[in-house]
Amino acid sequence: NAGVMQNPRHLVRRRGQEARLRCSPMKGHSHVYWYRQLPEEGLKFMVYLQKENIIDESGMPKERFSAEFPKEGPSILRIQQVVRGDSAAYFCASSPPGTGVNTEAFFGQGTRLTVV
Amino acid sequence: GQNIDQPTEMTATEGAIVQINCTYQTSGFNGLFWYQQHAGEAPTFLSYNVLDGLEEKGRFSSFLSRSKGYSYLLLKELQMKDSASYLCAVLKGGSYIPTFGRGTSLIVHP
Repeated sequence: NAGVMQNPRHLVRRRGQEARLRCSPMKGHSHVYWYRQLPEEGLKFMVYLQKENIIDESGMPKERFSAEFPKEGPSILRIQQVVRGDSAAYFCASSPPGTGVNTEAFFGQGTRLTVV
Repeated sequence: GQNIDQPTEMTATEGAIVQINCTYQTSGFNGLFWYQQHAGEAPTFLSYNVLDGLEEKGRFSSFLSRSKGYSYLLLKELQMKDSASYLCAVLKGGSYIPTFGRGTSLIVHP
């Protein structure tokens, strides 16, 4: 049973380009969470999705950032017109459906985005 | 809002015991997690506490006092591989989304 898979592991983009980060949750998991981690900082929540639904995007910047979790395929975090401040590690976590609030979330290895 | 405070860095000696504290202020409370994160790696789950008291899992134990808004992670018989960042995360009432502290970087030296 593969864990949470994120790709790419490392992504370099020039300012103004688009970044697409992919997350395939663990088999049987239907909840996906995206977090951003800056050096020496904690994990900052961005968005919580279930299949075809955004449940909570309170941590997502209002502009340039979007996320989706289609019925088929991975969850995508999309950053348009990237700026240097977007450089960070982006982690995806997944959890199974309907198992209560004490469900541990399993994290992927993260995508390290560098904007040059 | 939520405030989660942990020390930034701690050092300890191989074979020793170390206690990493976490204090929090939150609107409602639905549990507290501890995660371990090695540099460049994914956070991995260590423990979840929702009731007061101590939970022991091998060399690692986690304690919670809800009235004091306080938790600690206790690591015994420290090994070099325990050098990592330890993240405290809180679930506020009615939420499925853990809010993380900044993490405590633990350095274990021989």
